[in-house]
Amino acid sequence: GDSVTQMEGPVTLSEEAFLTINCTYTATGYPSLFWYVQYPGEGLQLLLKATKADDKGSNKGFEATYRKETTSFHLEKGSVQVSDSAVYFCALSDHSGANSKLTFGKGITLSVRP
Amino acid sequence: EPEVTQTPSHQVTQMGQEVILRCVPISNHLYFYWYRQILGQKVEFLVSFYNNEISEKSEIFDDQFSVERPDGSNFTLKIRSTKLEDSAMYFCASKGLGNTGELFFGEGSRLTVL
Repeated sequence: GDSVTQMEGPVTLSEEAFLTINCTYTATGYPSLFWYVQYPGEGLQLLLKATKADDKGSNKGFEATYRKETTSFHLEKGSVQVSDSAVYFCALSDHSGANSKLTFGKGITLSVRP
Repeated sequence: EPEVTQTPSHQVTQMGQEVILRCVPISNHLYFYWYRQILGQKVEFLVSFYNNEISEKSEIFDDQFSVERPDGSNFTLKIRSTKLEDSAMYFCASKGLGNTGELFFGEGSRLTVL
């Protein structure tokens, strides 16, 4: 079945550091790929998405490129802020139908120090 | 901005008791979902619901679980006889028409079974 694998965490960075969070997936067909973020005390929010190979999703300075050849969707940000501290989830949608579900990775906690 | 709301935010219950978690999806959405996250583990799919019936369910969603949309606005998850291992954060999500795959999540209901 479909699966998403994220790098092990947690990750602690200093403010303005470069961030990479790795995500790889296994899926049949051509899934859409997502990064969701969960800030402390809040629900899951869509951060960015990409629906086909070579698409780049971007939002709030974060970027991720859909790489079909490496089945990856790594999240990057050039300069993190303390406010980026959150849990980040990579996910895919299987397009099995109009009510297709999301399959999530385990999530990784990012802490940014001032 | 429309949002998915969940109640309660936290419930503590004794093993064997029935629990109902409530969700109000975004008003024009047609597809509804429950996910759960056991502490430190993946966000796991439980069930999807469309047109007043279950579309898909995972192996986690056994006979102890049920879902209902009783009045056209609420979407509930019932656990008939809770077990210790049901302790988790439960997320409700909804999706509109179209097949971009994006789900909109509530803030979650934390269930603690003692």
